[in-house]
Amino acid sequence: SQTIHQWPATLVQPVGSPLSLECTVEGTSNPNLYWYRQAAGRGLQLLFYSVGIGQISSEVPQNLSASRPQDRQFILSSKKLLLSDSGFYLCAWNRVETQYFGPGTRLLVL
Amino acid sequence: KNEVEQSPQNLTAQEGEFITINCSYSVGISALHWLQQHPGGGIVSLFMLSSGKKKHGRLIATINIQEKHSSLHITASHPRDSAVYICAASIRGGGADGLTFGKGTHLIIQP
Repeated sequence: SQTIHQWPATLVQPVGSPLSLECTVEGTSNPNLYWYRQAAGRGLQLLFYSVGIGQISSEVPQNLSASRPQDRQFILSSKKLLLSDSGFYLCAWNRVETQYFGPGTRLLVL
Repeated sequence: KNEVEQSPQNLTAQEGEFITINCSYSVGISALHWLQQHPGGGIVSLFMLSSGKKKHGRLIATINIQEKHSSLHITASHPRDSAVYICAASIRGGGADGLTFGKGTHLIIQP
């Protein structure tokens, strides 16, 4: 069966600190991978997607970056966090046009 | 204007009522998704539609491609159905089936 892991589950970081959120997928190969963000009081928004190792596309200009060093690993990063980076970050993968979501990381930037 | 619009934003109903949540979109899509988000934040995919109607238990999802409209129905609603229901579209020509989301409908079913 397919499983998607995200960590950490919760993170509190000061403004200006770096960020690394990790997502790994099990039970599939060469998935399309996605990072979404849900900011407080707002809907979900697609941040990045990847169709393969080293292939990253960004949907919105922002303070964040993404990398895919391995087939089933997707990392979301920032060199210096902003207050506006606070939110709920979800990793997802795609199979037969259905998206499967990870448990999410709740990030609070203070 | 958002490409995906949902209504109502909030809905409170009594247990047993028939629930309808509506979604309209303004662009060409390859698929329309209905998702359920529980208070802890976890998201579950309920349906993926490209045409017609799908049913799973007490949940029914329909889509009218010509009218660019989809509905999610819950029959015999129960308090455990309380959640945020989100409509999302795979935009035709968009990023590898990445989703564009409505703002969600916060549903509360009272016993």
